[in-house]
Amino acid sequence: KNEVEQSPQNLTAQEGEFITINCSYSVGISALHWLQQHPGGGIVSLFMLSSGKKKHGRLIATINIQEKHSSLHITASHPRDSAVYICAVRGMDSNYQLIWGAGTKLIIKP
Amino acid sequence: DTEVTQTPKHLVMGMTNKKSLKCEQHMGHRAMYWYKQKAKKPPELMFVYSYEKLSINESVPSRFSPECPNSSLLNLHLHALQPEDSALYLCASSQMTGRSNYGYTFGSGTRLTVV
Repeated sequence: KNEVEQSPQNLTAQEGEFITINCSYSVGISALHWLQQHPGGGIVSLFMLSSGKKKHGRLIATINIQEKHSSLHITASHPRDSAVYICAVRGMDSNYQLIWGAGTKLIIKP
Repeated sequence: DTEVTQTPKHLVMGMTNKKSLKCEQHMGHRAMYWYKQKAKKPPELMFVYSYEKLSINESVPSRFSPECPNSSLLNLHLHALQPEDSALYLCASSQMTGRSNYGYTFGSGTRLTVV
């Protein structure tokens, strides 16, 4: 079992829909990252969380440390949101290494 | 400037060639990273530089040789690569390593093809 599990693996939705991507982890963490990667492209850091909730534009990220679970929400989704969304955690005993989820491929159809 | 700039964006090289990848940031970040990413896989950490010193080498073959000439610049020198080394090479930076919650800034990557 991977230490960081994401669901779903693939998600196709219509423009305007509310999107939720989930991330569960099994290790103690100092931080959780949500990242975005467009096909063939570099990685953009969306959020870094250690507790609570963060919002940036149409994106919202939440984390529940007790349940070892985080969610990324996209409101009013748009075709330009189509990308792979990756959850990665930094373990409590690591000062540099990220443990990566497998990513969720999101396609938003117009 | 809040970016990590990687050049070139694409590189095709023969197995006998020597080439270099370049990564630059002007955010004052003192930790810089090289990652290798194969298609549909998460990035794999290769090297970590902290305060211009190599602190982590994740058992990377010697045909990959990192260099950090100053706090803003990170190079990856390539020599005698194999076709299986073809991948997206990503550079990242953070304020520092250590048990602090510093975010990462990633570059857009260099798509390397070894022929």
